[in-house]
Amino acid sequence: DQQVKQNSPSLSVQEGRISILNCDYTNSMFDYFLWYKKYPAEGPTFLISISSIKDKNEDGRFTVFLNKSAKHLSLHIVPSQPGDSAVYFCAARVGGGSNYKLTFGKGTLLTVNP
Amino acid sequence: KAGVTQTPRYLIKTRGQQVTLSCSPISGHRSVSWYQQTPGQGLQFLFEYFSETQRNKGNFPGRFSGRQFSNSRSEMNVSTLELGDSALYLCASRQTLQGDEKLFFGSGTQLSVL
Repeated sequence: DQQVKQNSPSLSVQEGRISILNCDYTNSMFDYFLWYKKYPAEGPTFLISISSIKDKNEDGRFTVFLNKSAKHLSLHIVPSQPGDSAVYFCAARVGGGSNYKLTFGKGTLLTVNP
Repeated sequence: KAGVTQTPRYLIKTRGQQVTLSCSPISGHRSVSWYQQTPGQGLQFLFEYFSETQRNKGNFPGRFSGRQFSNSRSEMNVSTLELGDSALYLCASRQTLQGDEKLFFGSGTQLSVL
């Protein structure tokens, strides 16, 4: 039973345009959501996060939107750059402190074409 | 500050053997988590250690075990290897068990079981 789903295995976008990566979840107990980016042969690196008490968080070119009623979140990258080409993982967590177990989606490969 | 260091980078083993992977967290980080990444399942949580104690455990068989030393370094052991254990094993660290800290990942150990 996959609690965090990224239904698009891949996405191709033109440089300068907007990239929208989507993520759906089933566990209503998730209270914190994160996006990680992963380049080949490297570990995932943290990109941006959002608490369940918010519906939007912005950091430079990256914005995450959370729709709790739909159990859906999305990552917007504007404008997209070739260096953004990577696998993007959506992750969610129930509780904090000693219960810090992240549940990841399977990832979306983003390709930004020059 | 050095990042999370995992050794070895690559490993090739045969079925039935056992393997030990090592992880050195970022200096000052006391929590170490382990994740398994496979193409079919994405990233899955194995366990988390803090102050030499296992704090949280994922849904993996008992063949997967770990430990943490007093200097926060951690090892993960897999016994009686199976073909399906072939994966990228990622280690991540965080400073404490408090708050919404993000995880810092190492580059992983790529394990191939033949």
